[in-house]
Amino acid sequence: QKEVEQDPGPLSVPEGAIVSLNCTYSNSAFQYFMWYRQYSRKGPELLMYTYSSGNKEDGRFTAQVDKSSKYISLFIRDSQPSDSATYLCAMTAFYGQNFVFGPGTRLSVLP
Amino acid sequence: DGGITQSPKYLFRKEGQNVTLSCEQNLNHDAMYWYRQDPGQGLRLIYYSQIVNDFQKGDIAEGYSVSREKKESFPLTVTSAQKNPTAFYLCASSIEDRGADTQYFGPGTRLTVL
Repeated sequence: QKEVEQDPGPLSVPEGAIVSLNCTYSNSAFQYFMWYRQYSRKGPELLMYTYSSGNKEDGRFTAQVDKSSKYISLFIRDSQPSDSATYLCAMTAFYGQNFVFGPGTRLSVLP
Repeated sequence: DGGITQSPKYLFRKEGQNVTLSCEQNLNHDAMYWYRQDPGQGLRLIYYSQIVNDFQKGDIAEGYSVSREKKESFPLTVTSAQKNPTAFYLCASSIEDRGADTQYFGPGTRLTVL
């Protein structure tokens, strides 16, 4: 079993839809979780950063962490064609420990 | 403009050649990282450096080498010993934020072996 798993997609949705992107993990020590957005042939850019369980909202994006289920989600409301990218989750247990990345989910938002 | 720069954007290498990928940051971050990205796989850590003149191997260091002579610079050399070097290489730097690193990435270098 991989330490962090993501459905690779591609996930295609119509413009305006609510998108749910998910990662599952096996290491119960993880407590810092990040979501990155990566456009084709570009470096990943940090979208959201959450600590421990709970929700965090930033504009159209909501990050959710359920540590009891070892499951994290990123929700995108009112999705736009400009949201079309690969979304990577990453997580670590504490400062100084390296991050473990998921393989990414490719999202296409169709106009 | 603050950020991380990588050069070149595209790099072609012949079999048996060593090549060096540049990574520079002006964010005053202490830690820097090199990752490799292959289709369908998560980012894999090659090397990382927490401070100047010190670096550690990541998960896939074989066939790679690095140096950290300056805080701003963390070049990666892909040696001829790396058997499958064609990939997208990403450099990152980080700063501690609420107890964990927050990593910021450069634009990447795509290396192709001919």
